[in-house]
Amino acid sequence: GPKVLQIPSHQIIDMGQMVTLNCDPVSNHLYFYWYKQILGQQMEFLVNFYNGKVMEKSKLFKDQFSVERPDGSYFTLKIQPTALEDSAVYFCASSLGRRTEVFFGKGTRLTVV
Amino acid sequence: GEKVEQHESTLSVREGDSAVINCTYTDTASSYFPWYKQEAGKSLHFVIDIRSNVDRKQSQRLIVLLDKKAKRFSLHITATQPEDSAIYFCAARDTGANTGKLTFGHGTILRVHP
Repeated sequence: GPKVLQIPSHQIIDMGQMVTLNCDPVSNHLYFYWYKQILGQQMEFLVNFYNGKVMEKSKLFKDQFSVERPDGSYFTLKIQPTALEDSAVYFCASSLGRRTEVFFGKGTRLTVV
Repeated sequence: GEKVEQHESTLSVREGDSAVINCTYTDTASSYFPWYKQEAGKSLHFVIDIRSNVDRKQSQRLIVLLDKKAKRFSLHITATQPEDSAIYFCAARDTGANTGKLTFGHGTILRVHP
């Protein structure tokens, strides 16, 4: 079936540095999402992106976070600067429409040290 | 905003028995309820969904029930098999909203043992 690819699967970064998480969504999808899952806790919505714009973001989407999808390439989540509490698994997802099935990637485990 | 509670954090059943996972939600505007399965090291995999215009949906061994009055929905896995062992997440979405955002439960670890 359709696949969302996330690169890398695991990233370790020093606190204060910048990190970019990359997502290759399903090719004809139009809605893109990032979710955050801290170990043992539920998956929480961060942001969604459509037509080059952020449609909605949660309070977890701090000012240090940004998203973009330049020229239809990777959909990226950038964190600058990183903080210890940013350590989590970040899941990218995409859907064709806002009412259709959402497909998830395998997640990127981010460890901030 | 929407809150989704997933009532069973772990569930252990014998192979061949049924497993039931229950979720409740708070926002009456929610109208789409998918279920996802996550096996170790893999992504969330869509298994089944239900929309608010029906109260029951079945796909092979999976049955989803929706009680809109009680704001409750449940996943029933019949004739369980060891490969059903995974973490199951319920979610809710307000399809009238612009964003397609899903609100998830905490997940249920299902173990099917011989």
